[in-house]
Amino acid sequence: EAQVTQNPRYLITVTGKKLTVTCSQNMNHEYMSWYRQDPGLGLRQIYYSMNVEVTDKGDVPEGYKVSRKEKRNFPLILESPSPNQTSLYFCASSSGTSGGSNEQFFGPGTRLTVL
Amino acid sequence: QKEVEQNSGPLSVPEGAIASLNCTYSDRGSQSFFWYRQYSGKSPELIMFIYSNGDKEDGRFTAQLNKASQYVSLLIRDSQPSDSATYLCAGNDMRFGAGTRLTVKP
Repeated sequence: EAQVTQNPRYLITVTGKKLTVTCSQNMNHEYMSWYRQDPGLGLRQIYYSMNVEVTDKGDVPEGYKVSRKEKRNFPLILESPSPNQTSLYFCASSSGTSGGSNEQFFGPGTRLTVL
Repeated sequence: QKEVEQNSGPLSVPEGAIASLNCTYSDRGSQSFFWYRQYSGKSPELIMFIYSNGDKEDGRFTAQLNKASQYVSLLIRDSQPSDSATYLCAGNDMRFGAGTRLTVKP
């Protein structure tokens, strides 16, 4: 089954404790991205990756890191989480961005609470 | 900064009515637009995409794009309670609007 998986689905942590949210897709997609979703603000892009070893900042990258060592995986790293990073996080992948039907497939989401 | 804006609603329509969802964008270079539906607690899923001026119909859904006015809309005909969700529009740069929450009342 074609899918994007994220782990963990729920996480409660404390300020300053490093954490990683994993994301994996099995569709051989080149493009992957991370979003956070907060009430009234929609989906805001954190980082995206056009291919292996190619990553770039989205609209809200502060406090986050990513890596793309393999095509299928795109982990999101919070080196020192703070309460303002409490949010719902989505990973997504697509075959590309050059117009047309470049549908993004989303993972199930990770609800993060930073105390 | 390239932006996609939506009227955040919420929007409430009676069952069987037409729901109209709207989105404007600032980047004249945007070529494609996507409408996603997100049920509460779930991840977004694609409903339609459009890249040509005019209308595109798929069942009860019609997407409309007006590049001169930088305006894209989604019409849902014969709205059903199962259409109650948040609808998000996005450009091909993968930036999303804030979403419009739609409630269809039986």
